[in-house]
Amino acid sequence: SQTIHQWPATLVQPVGSPLSLECTVEGTSNPNLYWYRQAAGRGLQLLFYSVGIGQISSEVPQNLSASRPQDRQFILSSKKLLLSDSGFYLCAWSAGTPSEQYFGPGTRLTVT
Amino acid sequence: AQKITQTQPGMFVQEKEAVTLDCTYDTSDQSYGLFWYKQPSSGEMIFLIYQGSYDEQNATEGRYSLNFQKARKSANLVISASQLGDSAMYFCAMREVIQGNLIFGKGTKLSVKP
Repeated sequence: SQTIHQWPATLVQPVGSPLSLECTVEGTSNPNLYWYRQAAGRGLQLLFYSVGIGQISSEVPQNLSASRPQDRQFILSSKKLLLSDSGFYLCAWSAGTPSEQYFGPGTRLTVT
Repeated sequence: AQKITQTQPGMFVQEKEAVTLDCTYDTSDQSYGLFWYKQPSSGEMIFLIYQGSYDEQNATEGRYSLNFQKARKSANLVISASQLGDSAMYFCAMREVIQGNLIFGKGTKLSVKP
């Protein structure tokens, strides 16, 4: 069966510090991968998605970036965090464009 | 323009009763998909049910059913026989085939009373 992992589960970082969140998927090959952010009490906002290694599409201009160094690994990064980057970050995968997405447990990021 | 609208910020239901969570959507695509997700307090997003725009029958998954009214562009989630564990945020989402990504509504917080 397929599983999706995210770490860390929680993170507190000062403004201006770098960020690296990791997401890995097991039990499937060539998944579509997604990064979402959920601000407190809000819906999900798609940040990045990837249909293959090295292929990244950005949905929202910001100081975040994403990379996919391996087929089942998706990384969300920032060189300098802003207060507005605080939120709940969710990674998801799908087997293809028309299919449902399955989410990881999420990372709660607080920028102080 | 908002593509997914969930007009109920919060809902209460008595345990063992049925509840309907509303969702309307806006798209010019003929082919699209509609999804419902549950988010408990732990934060994980749990896939519940899917309805394709060309599906003639309403989707059902256990106690969950999707009341799909294409002409009205609505995709309401019906939960039958509510349980205390159903208390959570519920999100409606749409995928337009051309764009290929999920667009989420703002969610409805469901509270089940014992």
